Amino acid sequence: GEDVEQSLFLSVREGDSSVINCTYTDSSSTYLYWYKQEPGAGLQLLTYIFSNMDMKQDQRLTVLLNKKDKHLSLRIADTQTGDSAIYFCAEKPGMGRRALTFGSGTRLQVQP
Amino acid sequence: KAGVTQTPRYLIKTRGQQVTLSCSPISGHRSVSWYQQTPGQGLQFLFEYFSETQRNKGNFPGRFSGRQFSNSRSEMNVSTLELGDSALYLCASSLAVVSSVVDTEAFFGQGTRLTVV
Repeated sequence: GEDVEQSLFLSVREGDSSVINCTYTDSSSTYLYWYKQEPGAGLQLLTYIFSNMDMKQDQRLTVLLNKKDKHLSLRIADTQTGDSAIYFCAEKPGMGRRALTFGSGTRLQVQP
Repeated sequence: KAGVTQTPRYLIKTRGQQVTLSCSPISGHRSVSWYQQTPGQGLQFLFEYFSETQRNKGNFPGRFSGRQFSNSRSEMNVSTLELGDSALYLCASSLAVVSSVVDTEAFFGQGTRLTVV
């Protein structure tokens, strides 16, 4: 079955770049997503990338996809204390299977 | 444009009771999915509805059920509650103009936190 793996924790200093990594197993994945969850809140869609792309940039966020290694990363430039949250990687499989498969989430702690 | 609205935000129920949670998707969105989030199991897919029809279902027992109305609002029901059903239940809506289109974006509500005592 599908599996999505993430490291559990990342700590960075304010102003530094953060890189959150994710690996997945389903080679039929069509889209890969990054969601942010703050305490007591739902999931906020940050960005997504289509599986035939290598990179997507959106303001401070850069998503890199290595389809051969099934590796996805999210880079946050100039990380701020407001970026402290849990970040979930998710993949959407091919046609016919529409549910998102989520990783366990990476808790990002930004130190002032 | 209003986001995805889930009600209630918090709920406390007793074992054996049943509960109904509600989700109003973004206006114009026709697909609604439900997920359960727990510390131990993470985010797990429950089911998805499109045009009042369930078109995907996760690996949950039959105590978990749902439905969707003609205005795309959805409800999920859990009967005979167990302690392990305590979780954050999240609803996501996506556009899905036609049933065959793979949606790119799913937007989540704030969730309903269910505590079973």
